[in-house]
Amino acid sequence: AQSVTQLDSQVPVFEEAPVELRCNYSSSVSVYLFWYVQYPNQGLQLLLKYLSGSTLVKGINGFEAEFNKSQTSFHLRKPSVHISDTAEYFCAVSNAGGTSYGKLTFGQGTILTVHP
Amino acid sequence: NAGVTQTPKFRILKIGQSMTLQCTQDMNHNYMYWYRQDPGMGLKLIYYSVGAGITDKGEVPNGYNVSRSTTEDFPLRLELAAPSQTSVYFCASSPGQGAGTEAFFGQGTRLTVV
Repeated sequence: AQSVTQLDSQVPVFEEAPVELRCNYSSSVSVYLFWYVQYPNQGLQLLLKYLSGSTLVKGINGFEAEFNKSQTSFHLRKPSVHISDTAEYFCAVSNAGGTSYGKLTFGQGTILTVHP
Repeated sequence: NAGVTQTPKFRILKIGQSMTLQCTQDMNHNYMYWYRQDPGMGLKLIYYSVGAGITDKGEVPNGYNVSRSTTEDFPLRLELAAPSQTSVYFCASSPGQGAGTEAFFGQGTRLTVV
């Protein structure tokens, strides 16, 4: 079984400030890691994913995340946020094995609010 | 390209009524999923399908049924609606070429059971 914990339910920041959204996971098998973003009244959109290789992953809209296997973490960062980054962010994992069929286990979500 | 389309966008049901949430995708994806989203709980997998005629339960299947007669369509059926089924429902699809491939989500259906 897998689980994902997003350590902050809400993160308020000012425009142009850096931000980090924290994600920890638990799994007995190898996993793939994802960050999705949900803008108000919309579906989820993939920001970035880690499958293998370099532990620093770059995604869309200037976001990046670092996979830390020893700490079982996959924190999302952006050096300078914009008002348009206001959204809910979800960390998710899937079993890296062939029978996972892409099923995702999600964290509880972090609402990022960017203030002017 | 439409992607994943869900209908309706909003619906209010009375306790005990039934309804079908429609989902269709035009990307020829093999894998399709239904998730429900509750505030502060993230998304939970209800059912999934790896191809036409093949479906399986996810984490929270009770009170729901699905079918997959074509590659494009994956409807979710609610029988005897209960207040606990008040939620936002998301359909998603994936090419199914590997566990790391991206899932594409629809816009969601907001369901209220009163």
